[in-house]
Amino acid sequence: SQQGEEDPQALSIQEGENATMNCSYKTSINNLQWYRQNSGRGLVHLILIRSNEREKHSGRLRVTLDTSKKSSSLLITASRAADTASYFCATRGGTSYGKLTFGQGTILTVHP
Amino acid sequence: DAMVIQNPRYQVTQFGKPVTLSCSQTLNHNVMYWYQQKSSQAPKLLFHYYDKDFNNEADTPDNFQSRRPNTSFCFLDIRSPGLGDAAMYLCATSRVGQPQPQHFGDGTRLSIL
Repeated sequence: SQQGEEDPQALSIQEGENATMNCSYKTSINNLQWYRQNSGRGLVHLILIRSNEREKHSGRLRVTLDTSKKSSSLLITASRAADTASYFCATRGGTSYGKLTFGQGTILTVHP
Repeated sequence: DAMVIQNPRYQVTQFGKPVTLSCSQTLNHNVMYWYQQKSSQAPKLLFHYYDKDFNNEADTPDNFQSRRPNTSFCFLDIRSPGLGDAAMYLCATSRVGQPQPQHFGDGTRLSIL
């Protein structure tokens, strides 16, 4: 069963605006990862945050993790049309071989 | 560049006709995964291999089988595809050890006639 829920399910913004996506999960985790999926393509890993970290940055991406609330957020600053994609959070527990459980995803549309 | 390659990108098969999807990797990763992703849904793990150790998810139908003849290749066999098996099938790899991201191929979109 899927662990995570993402909010919103769809987000539509203009180029240059910031986009924030939220993810909630149910069980304890080892780390949380965010992936991007362009239409008809595979998933691309964006950023990984460990359970003992609270915030992480990578270029225009900022991820926060609140383990007490079992939630994470992904912020994309100064969005571009090329950021249009689906974004998934995925959690990894402490068990076998890096198994990930994916959230339902947020569809982001950035209008030029 | 090291990568995960899935062939074919698009596969059409007939209802009940066995089909095999393939995945190869040049990353030399220990673990290979197969996911099923239906339209507008999250990827759902079917099974994974750690080296030759096969791990099936509890809710993966018996209709789905997998083979991993060596480190580089992994196959997904669907013995008798039904209409409900039409989906994108994604292969991914990772290295054992924490924390590690997964590296995905571009998927095979399977259609059932």
